[in-house]
Amino acid sequence: RKEVEQDPGPFNVPEGATVAFNCTYSNSASQSFFWYRQDCRKEPKLLMSVYSSGNEDGRFTAQLNRASQYISLLIRDSKLSDSATYLCAVAYNYQLIWGAGTKLIIKP
Amino acid sequence: DAGITQSPRHKVTETGTPVTLRCHQTENHRYMYWYRQDPGHGLRLIHYSYGVKDTDKGEVSDGYSVSRSKTEDFLLTLESATSSQTSVYFCAISEPTLSSEQYFGPGTRLTVT
Repeated sequence: RKEVEQDPGPFNVPEGATVAFNCTYSNSASQSFFWYRQDCRKEPKLLMSVYSSGNEDGRFTAQLNRASQYISLLIRDSKLSDSATYLCAVAYNYQLIWGAGTKLIIKP
Repeated sequence: DAGITQSPRHKVTETGTPVTLRCHQTENHRYMYWYRQDPGHGLRLIHYSYGVKDTDKGEVSDGYSVSRSKTEDFLLTLESATSSQTSVYFCAISEPTLSSEQYFGPGTRLTVT
């Protein structure tokens, strides 16, 4: 079993819809959690950190469920520009363990 | 955007030749990382550095070596490149805080023929 797992997708979603991704992790001692966005042939960029209480940034909401060991990302009112691969990352001892990413395609 | 550059951005080399990739940061971050990214595998850690001259291996370190003689520079060397090392290589930086978020350079696309 991989340490961090994501559904690779692709998720094909119409513009304006709501879409959610999950990411499961195996190390219960993990300390921090993140969502990154990666556009084709570009570097990953930090989208948002995931806090225990959940956090929201505009159309994006991230949540952490420590009991079930997963994090989630919800995108509301999706835009064409949201098309990308979304990577989750889990921190332990100053290192990040990465999921392989979920590809999202927003269709007009 | 964090001040991280990588050079070269693209390289084609032949099997058996040595290759050195450079990562340069202007953020004065203590930690630096080298990853490779391949389809289906996500980001895999090759080596990392937690200070000048302080480095350690990641999960896929075989065939790679690193050096960090200055805070701002982290070099990745493929001693004798193989076709299995064809990949996209990303450098990242972070500070040793509890949050540990990392910031990435633009990547180097390496092809070994």
